[in-house]
Amino acid sequence: DTGVSQDPRHKITKRGQNVTFRCDPISEHNRLYWYRQTLGQGPEFLTYFQNEAQLEKSRLLSDRFSAERPKGSFSTLEIQRTEQGDSAMYLCASSLVGLAGRTQYFGPGTRLTVL
Amino acid sequence: AQSVTQLDSQVPVFEEAPVELRCNYSSSVSVYLFWYVQYPNQGLQLLLKYLSGSTLVESINGFEAEFNKSQTSFHLRKPSVHISDTAEYFCAVSERTSGTYKYIFGTGTRLKVLA
Repeated sequence: DTGVSQDPRHKITKRGQNVTFRCDPISEHNRLYWYRQTLGQGPEFLTYFQNEAQLEKSRLLSDRFSAERPKGSFSTLEIQRTEQGDSAMYLCASSLVGLAGRTQYFGPGTRLTVL
Repeated sequence: AQSVTQLDSQVPVFEEAPVELRCNYSSSVSVYLFWYVQYPNQGLQLLLKYLSGSTLVESINGFEAEFNKSQTSFHLRKPSVHISDTAEYFCAVSERTSGTYKYIFGTGTRLKVLA
């Protein structure tokens, strides 16, 4: 069990640029979640996948955000035309289904700084 | 709508003293409950969870939490803290009827253990 991994760990970009983050879940987990955590706050749900299907998106996920999980394994989160308000820690988590799936396992996060 | 309240944003405590971190939630349906710990610049690590059964749950490193349905609380306690317990602690809930399994987090409590 290698755990959830995220890449990159840190990203600094200029306002208006596009960025993409990657998440590799625990291998047998078919659910994958993205959360956003701003300074001094708890994580907030953005979206989740079951296998390759994106089943729910939060209202926090504006049109500039898109997430994919093309083969039901790794996932990418892209932010287009970044804004300073996008600066945050982006956390990925994965889980099984059923009662065991109620427990989510988190990756180390990608910290985004938009200048 | 679901919400989680962690009233104490910071809790300073001397080493070997007991500590309680408070968590209250609001939900119209039954919930699952979780405590996660976050060390600086890291992701979230599961500390303990209540899914069913005994309302008192324990972690391997001496923390415990008790689910109190009538008070809608899930307070975290440790009888004797160590310097290494210094971290931020997040309480989270997940609705039992939710197909998403998404978490709603509190704003976190920063525990600082003093020598």
